[in-house]
Amino acid sequence: DQQVKQNSPSLSVQEGRISILNCDYTNSMFDYFLWYKKYPAEGPTFLISISSIKDKNEDGRFTVFLNKSAKHLSLHIVPSQPGDSAVYFCAASARDNRKLIWGLGTSLAVNP
Amino acid sequence: GAVVSQHPSWVICKSGTSVKIECRSLDFQATTMFWYRQFPKQSLMLMATSNEGSKATYEQGVEKDKFLINHASLTLSTLTVTSAHPEDSSFYICSARRGGQSETQYFGPGTRLLVL
Repeated sequence: DQQVKQNSPSLSVQEGRISILNCDYTNSMFDYFLWYKKYPAEGPTFLISISSIKDKNEDGRFTVFLNKSAKHLSLHIVPSQPGDSAVYFCAASARDNRKLIWGLGTSLAVNP
Repeated sequence: GAVVSQHPSWVICKSGTSVKIECRSLDFQATTMFWYRQFPKQSLMLMATSNEGSKATYEQGVEKDKFLINHASLTLSTLTVTSAHPEDSSFYICSARRGGQSETQYFGPGTRLLVL
């Protein structure tokens, strides 16, 4: 049972445009959400997070939006750069269990 | 910053030997550290959670006698793969979480283990 779902395994975007990566979750107990970026054979790099008390968090080119009623969050990268090409993982945790539950990732390719 | 290191970055060993992997939080104290395993083209699989000074909590299906975890200090956790076999070959990644209310885990660069 996949509690965190990233339904798009891959995404291709032109340099300078916006990249939108989506994530859906099923567990209403999740109250903290994170996005990580990962290159092959490396550990994930933390990008940005959001608490369930907010609906938006912004950090430079990265913005995460949370829609609790739809149990959906998205990561916006603008403008996209070739160096953003990587696999992006969405993760969530619940107040009563602080393990991270991971999505399967979306591979982003930003084309020059 | 929040830097986590792992050592070694890769290791090749013979079947039947034991391998120790170190995970260190370099610029913060980590009350909790996590050990993950990643198979090719799959997501991270949590193996165990370790809190400083107490026994690790293992996920279902992970053999605690096979994967020994020691979280001896607030900056160091070790994973020992005992009597390694070829099926233990994988990419092992640790993460560390600060104390207090922080939920964010910071990851090490990973260790590639190949058992011959």
